[in-house]
Amino acid sequence: AQSVAQPEDQVNVAEGNPLTVKCTYSVSGNPYLFWYVQYPNRGLQFLLKYITGDNLVKGSYGFEAEFNKSQTSFHLKKPSALVSDSALYFCAVGLRGGGNKLTFGTGTQLKVEL
Amino acid sequence: DTEVTQTPKHLVMGMTNKKSLKCEQHMGHRAMYWYKQKAKKPPELMFVYSYEKLSINESVPSRFSPECPNSSLLNLHLHALQPEDSALYLCASSPIFREGRDKNIQYFGAGTRLSVL
Repeated sequence: AQSVAQPEDQVNVAEGNPLTVKCTYSVSGNPYLFWYVQYPNRGLQFLLKYITGDNLVKGSYGFEAEFNKSQTSFHLKKPSALVSDSALYFCAVGLRGGGNKLTFGTGTQLKVEL
Repeated sequence: DTEVTQTPKHLVMGMTNKKSLKCEQHMGHRAMYWYKQKAKKPPELMFVYSYEKLSINESVPSRFSPECPNSSLLNLHLHALQPEDSALYLCASSPIFREGRDKNIQYFGAGTRLSVL
């Protein structure tokens, strides 16, 4: 079984400040991890992934995430938030050798204010 | 091109209607997916097709009937839906076993917003 937890329903941050969106996971095996973003009335857009290798993963639009195996976490970060980053963010986990099934977290609404 | 195209964008149907949702991709992906998403909730997996064969059915009611006529197309046939089936239906595709930067990444369409009256 695999699961993902996003403990914060909403994160508020001022433009220009760093942002963090938290994600922890649980899998019985080696995970692969993703972050997706969803703007209103749109599909999910891929941001970044961790499969193997470097624990710090860099993705689109200046986002990055750090895979921490001991804490089973994969937090999304950005050094300087933009108002246009305001959206719904989903963390997802899949299991290597587990087919193509992804399990999504409940989502975190990011609001970046001027 | 990482585009998954879904039609129609919006659909309103009565509980006795039959309608179909369509999804198309030309990225050569051999896995395709249907998800259901309620407002402010995560996508819920419904079906997965691998090499045009149904590989995962997440215990979806039979009023939803998927079809994969070829490697580029995925349909979802709808019949006798209930108001609680109103949601955003998302299609996605991904490569299978292919190395490279897009390995394991699912690419999503913009979705079909379905309202059942």
